[in-house]
Amino acid sequence: EAQVTQNPRYLITVTGKKLTVTCSQNMNHEYMSWYRQDPGLGLRQIYYSMNVEVTDKGDVPEGYKVSRKEKRNFPLILESPSPNQTSLYFCASSSASPGAEKLFFGSGTQLSVL
Amino acid sequence: AQTVTQSQPEMSVQEAETVTLSCTYDTSESDYYLFWYKQPPSRQMILVIRQEAYKQQNATENRFSVNFQKAAKSFSLKISDSQLGDAAMYFCAYRSAFSSLYGGSQGNLIFGKGTKLSVKP
Repeated sequence: EAQVTQNPRYLITVTGKKLTVTCSQNMNHEYMSWYRQDPGLGLRQIYYSMNVEVTDKGDVPEGYKVSRKEKRNFPLILESPSPNQTSLYFCASSSASPGAEKLFFGSGTQLSVL
Repeated sequence: AQTVTQSQPEMSVQEAETVTLSCTYDTSESDYYLFWYKQPPSRQMILVIRQEAYKQQNATENRFSVNFQKAAKSFSLKISDSQLGDAAMYFCAYRSAFSSLYGGSQGNLIFGKGTKLSVKP
């Protein structure tokens, strides 16, 4: 089954404790992206990747890191989480080919930073 | 940079009635895709409908249809015969048709802030 798998679904942590949210897709997609969703602000892009070893900042990259060492994986790293990073996070992927425009989303990760 | 604007934070419709959600966007590109995504309380992101900018004909998917006005940069979603299961957040989104390989804007999906739709029985 074609899918984007995010883990964990829920995470509660404390300020300053490094954490990683994993994202993996099984569709051989070139494009992967991270979004955060906050009430009244919609989905804002954090980082995206057009292919292995190619990443770029989205609209709200501060406080986050990503890596794309393998095509299937695109982890989101919070080196020193702060309460303003409490949010719902989504990973998404798609083919980078023109015309293959549908984005596949993970199930989301609800993060609370105390 | 492209932007997507949804001017209605919340909307309400009576069951079986019709409702229209508004979306406008700003871009200098000539070819792109537009989407409506639905997010029910389960948080899952569900693709409702999509429109290719080069197509003049409005897309339809069962009870869902769009009014695409390219010159006005408007992309509204019409839900006919509303059902209780239609209650959700709806997001309008834009994506360039060209990836960076073709000089486009990376193929990023840009979202609006969403419209919360309530359906009254």
